[in-house]
Amino acid sequence: AAGVIQSPRHLIKEKRETATLKCYPIPRHDTVYWYQQGPGQDPQFLISFYEKMQSDKGSIPDRFSAQQFSDYHSELNMSSLELGDSALYFCASSWGSGTYNEQFFGPGTRLTVL
Amino acid sequence: DQQVKQNSPSLSVQEGRISILNCDYTNSMFDYFLWYKKYPAEGPTFLISISSIKDKNEDGRFTVFLNKSAKHLSLHIVPSQPGDSAVYFCAASPETSGSRLTFGEGTQLTVNP
Repeated sequence: AAGVIQSPRHLIKEKRETATLKCYPIPRHDTVYWYQQGPGQDPQFLISFYEKMQSDKGSIPDRFSAQQFSDYHSELNMSSLELGDSALYFCASSWGSGTYNEQFFGPGTRLTVL
Repeated sequence: DQQVKQNSPSLSVQEGRISILNCDYTNSMFDYFLWYKKYPAEGPTFLISISSIKDKNEDGRFTVFLNKSAKHLSLHIVPSQPGDSAVYFCAASPETSGSRLTFGEGTQLTVNP
């Protein structure tokens, strides 16, 4: 079965550079979530989109922005990168945005900021 | 402010025995709880869930127990198998604010043959 696809899988950037992470949800899933997992930490919710509209916002820095496109894929744009942005970024998708709609996670993008 | 806590960073059990992973939460608004399993280089995989109207949910070798008064849930795996070795995350969601998940820190389970 098709899973959530994230690209790239690994990304290395310098401080103050920008990065764009992409997420392709499972076909027919209309909701996308972004989570950030720092080294040795639990995944932290950043932002979510339902039917191309922002549905919830968590601890996402102002330097980050995200959107969901007409084909339901999503992009997380990160500017003025800082060392502390080094983390594993997970995207998850679900059919529907309700509490009981299971979230399926992608393999993550590992971002390293030097 | 860690609203979901898994106090045991690691757990080691023998194959065939029971594994018990624990999770505590502080937010009374949480009413849906999930366990995810994570292998290295992969994203978390949904394992089992329970809503606050239940105190037990069972799926094969996996059973989740919820004690709302104690704000505590546990995952029982029996019998444990070496393939169960992974990091297990407890997660919670309040129904009123959509479905963002709040995760615990994770417990590394190692099942020894």
